[in-house]
Amino acid sequence: QVHLEQSGAEVKSPGSSVKVSCTLSGGTFNSYAISWVRQAPGQGLEWMGGIIPIFGTTKYAQKFQGSLTITADKSTITAYMDLSNLRSEDTAIYYCARTRVSGNSYYYMDVWGKGTTVTVSS
Amino acid sequence: DIVMTQSPDALAVSLGERATISCNSSQSLLYRSSNQNYLAWYQRKPGQPPKLLIYWALTREYGVPERFSGSGSGTDFTLTISSLQAEDVAVYYCQQYFTSLSFGGGTKVEIK
Repeated sequence: QVHLEQSGAEVKSPGSSVKVSCTLSGGTFNSYAISWVRQAPGQGLEWMGGIIPIFGTTKYAQKFQGSLTITADKSTITAYMDLSNLRSEDTAIYYCARTRVSGNSYYYMDVWGKGTTVTVSS
Repeated sequence: DIVMTQSPDALAVSLGERATISCNSSQSLLYRSSNQNYLAWYQRKPGQPPKLLIYWALTREYGVPERFSGSGSGTDFTLTISSLQAEDVAVYYCQQYFTSLSFGGGTKVEIK
C-alpha cells in the first residue's frame, strides 16, 4: 500500500526558511506528481504547487512564485518543499499528496501524508 | 482564478438521514471534448489528512462507501451522504482541477 511519510514539526523565526520532506513507500513515483497543500489555523485547504518527479517539472500557484521551491530525489523517492522568507501567516499544517496528472495538468490527490506542522514565531 | 464556494458552512443531520453539500464554481468545470467535470470531493476528519472520496464529479474512489455520491455538472455540484453514519462526522471539501487547483471553504457535518 502506498504511504507518504513526512518530516517532523518545525518552529521557525520570521524571515527564515523551512524545508519539509515527503518520502514515498510501497510504490514508485511513476507518472504521478507530488503536490504540497497547506491549511492554516481556521482556514481552508490551499494548493501551493507540485512536482512530477520522473520529469523534474514543477508547477507553482501564483501566490508562491518566488518563495517556494519544490524538488525531488528519485533515488530516495523523496520530495521536498522549501518555503523561504517565512512570516507568521505561514504557520500551518503542510501536507504532501500524490496527485494524478495528465501531461503537465494536475488533477486530484489520492494519497496524502499525515502533515507537518510549521510554526513561525519570534 | 476559479473560486469555489461551498454551502452550507455547517450542517447537522440525524443519524440515518441524508446530508447534502453544495459546491459552486465561478466558471464551468466541464471539459466538453471529454464530457468530464474536473471536480473532486474530500473528507477530512479531525487530526487526519484529507481523504479522496469522489473524482470526475461522480466517480467514487475505491473503498469509499456507496452512501457517498457526487452529482452535478458545469458550475453546480453536490455531495450526498444518503444515510449519515457516526463515522461521517468531518469537514468536506470540493476541489476543482480545471485550471490550476483550488478548494472550496469546507462544510462541517455534525450529528443532530
